[in-house]
Amino acid sequence: DIQMTQSPSTLSASVGDRVTITCRASQNVSNWLAWYQQKPGIAPKLLIYQASSLESGVPSRFSGSGSGTEFTLTISSLQPDEFATYYCQHYMSYPWTFGQGTKVGIK
Amino acid sequence: QVQLVQSGAEVKKPGASVKVSCKASGYRFIGYYIHWVRQAPKQGLEWMGWIDPNIGGTQYTQKFQGRVTMTRDTSISTAYMELSSLRSDDTALYYCARVQCPGSRCYIDYWGQGTQVIVSS
Repeated sequence: DIQMTQSPSTLSASVGDRVTITCRASQNVSNWLAWYQQKPGIAPKLLIYQASSLESGVPSRFSGSGSGTEFTLTISSLQPDEFATYYCQHYMSYPWTFGQGTKVGIK
Repeated sequence: QVQLVQSGAEVKKPGASVKVSCKASGYRFIGYYIHWVRQAPKQGLEWMGWIDPNIGGTQYTQKFQGRVTMTRDTSISTAYMELSSLRSDDTALYYCARVQCPGSRCYIDYWGQGTQVIVSS
């Protein structure tokens, strides 16, 4: 199985900060990678697919980059509603696997 | 709009089975695979498998082989996930999810609200 490792596991930030989360895959997943945002008790929400494509309706301050084994999710200016946990997930092959999550908290 | 509405919370004893439903609306049910993902308390997301609502084909991750069964009823646009021989570590929030396949790969674009399953004696 392909292992997905996110860093950091937690980070503290302020409103307006630029936030960057890294996701590494144990094998090449090309650009078959998605990013999700999850708030407590609520289903994940798709932000980015195919490593860098912004899902419809998602603010343009979210961006994704990378290919192969290293990927990043960047929030250019963190908003109050975006304190949440973020997950990466590959869909290169089955079984799909997720990163362990990055919790973005208030500084 | 696309909606996936799941059945309500379940409390089961160890060794029992649970069947979770996922009713789709707002799109052509047989046109999109349904995947199931679970999340144990304060844990990350774990992919379980998929069902093709059109022909009923399935694929399960090895961890759940022999214990999970995914089915569907196209007449009511509903997918089901049944997990048997429940253990305490099956306590989790179970999500159904629709996938989008614009190219050679598919990704999840819509999620159900989740169904809490508690396994306790």
